[in-house]
Amino acid sequence: QVQLQQSGPGLVKPSQTLLLTCAISGDSVSGNSVAWNWIRRSPSRGLEWLGRTFYRSKWHNDYAVSVKSRITINPDTSKNQFSLQLNSVTPEDSAVYYCARYWDNVGTLDYWGPGILVSVSS
Amino acid sequence: DIVLTQSPGTLSLSPGEAATLSCRASQTVPDNLVAWYQQKAGQAPRLLIYHTATRATGIPDRFRGSGSGTDFTLTISRLEPEDFAVYYCQQYDHSRHTFGQGTILEIQ
Repeated sequence: QVQLQQSGPGLVKPSQTLLLTCAISGDSVSGNSVAWNWIRRSPSRGLEWLGRTFYRSKWHNDYAVSVKSRITINPDTSKNQFSLQLNSVTPEDSAVYYCARYWDNVGTLDYWGPGILVSVSS
Repeated sequence: DIVLTQSPGTLSLSPGEAATLSCRASQTVPDNLVAWYQQKAGQAPRLLIYHTATRATGIPDRFRGSGSGTDFTLTISRLEPEDFAVYYCQQYDHSRHTFGQGTILEIQ
């Protein structure tokens, strides 16, 4: 059974950097049929996919156009986890942030973490 | 990006009734890679249907997905009390995922 658990601060000041981590159990961040994703949900934007990292002979990333200039998703193979870094945050980045697994066999996001509420406020 | 529009925004029904939720894409979804999720307050989205019509593990057969091209449907044949929640459709295209805005299924 795959389990994902997010961690990180619940409050970030405007213009600062948001950093979240997703710990994986029951699967490998380096798996060759999976990808590891970040999604957020806010009242104004609904569910919004932010980006992903995955390993296919080498590491790859894809990012949503809306955050591409500010986002980095990195794997950490030593801890079997991956992270989200979002720079220059504004109150518009306040949301519940989820990490989720994409599996090739189902062609979608099949396991999700419970979510972490992040508020951007001074 | 493909934009998904769900209708209706809110659906008010009673237990035992059937529910029909619609999802329309702004362009053809490649390979019919459409999924449906159920989300309850304070919980993560739960995968119900993938590849348009395949039920995820443990999902009861009263949930049925159908459609192709740009029009997709989630049907719940006999609503149980635990089915009242928010439902999202989602598509995967060109390495990106997009979601519909959600349909609230509420008890009448």
